[in-house]
Amino acid sequence: EAGVAQSPRYKIIEKRQSVAFWCNPISGHATLYWYQQILGQGPKLLIQFQNNGVVDDSQLPKDRFSAERLKGVDSTLKIQPAKLEDSAVYLCASSTGGGGYTFGSGTRLTVV
Amino acid sequence: AQSVTQLDSHVSVSEGTPVLLRCNYSSSYSPSLFWYVQHPNKGLQLLLKYTSAATLVKGINGFEAEFKKSETSFHLTKPSAHMSDAAEYFCVVSEIVQAGTALIFGKGTTLSVSS
Repeated sequence: EAGVAQSPRYKIIEKRQSVAFWCNPISGHATLYWYQQILGQGPKLLIQFQNNGVVDDSQLPKDRFSAERLKGVDSTLKIQPAKLEDSAVYLCASSTGGGGYTFGSGTRLTVV
Repeated sequence: AQSVTQLDSHVSVSEGTPVLLRCNYSSSYSPSLFWYVQHPNKGLQLLLKYTSAATLVKGINGFEAEFKKSETSFHLTKPSAHMSDAAEYFCVVSEIVQAGTALIFGKGTTLSVSS
């Protein structure tokens, strides 16, 4: 089966600019996750969707981060405005809910 | 809330020697536990998972982990390290969040393998 697709692979922006990441999960996976992985740390959950509804966004810095999953398939994560500390790899994952998770390759964001 | 603690940030072994990566978990119920591996500039790959069946779990590439409830541990082992095992390893617990579950990652252990 096709994996979780993410784009772009790399992005470099200046602080205070905006950026958006895209994720296409595995077909049929109802649950979609966005994780932030700062260099040298484990991934941290930002937001979780069940179909097109938000299940958990308690760790999402809502003053600058937003995410949506229209039609319960693709998802976008946006940062506006970006800060230096947002430099990280942003990982998307999807799951059937039965305990199997598949991760995308991630988008590496550098804020300068 | 569930959490995992990886006891070593960096482990160095020689090729052909055993590997031990240590992980302790904190959970108020019987957890699902995972080990993931991340090679440089690559995505996360599932090595193995424990979901309350056999306490000794066998994974890919010769890795295995043993769930010990009395010690709240889920250590990852491999009898003989290979150069290709050099990577970042994450111990992960599945947490119930509102209407679903999510993976909570440890901080990771970097495994170095020398020839």
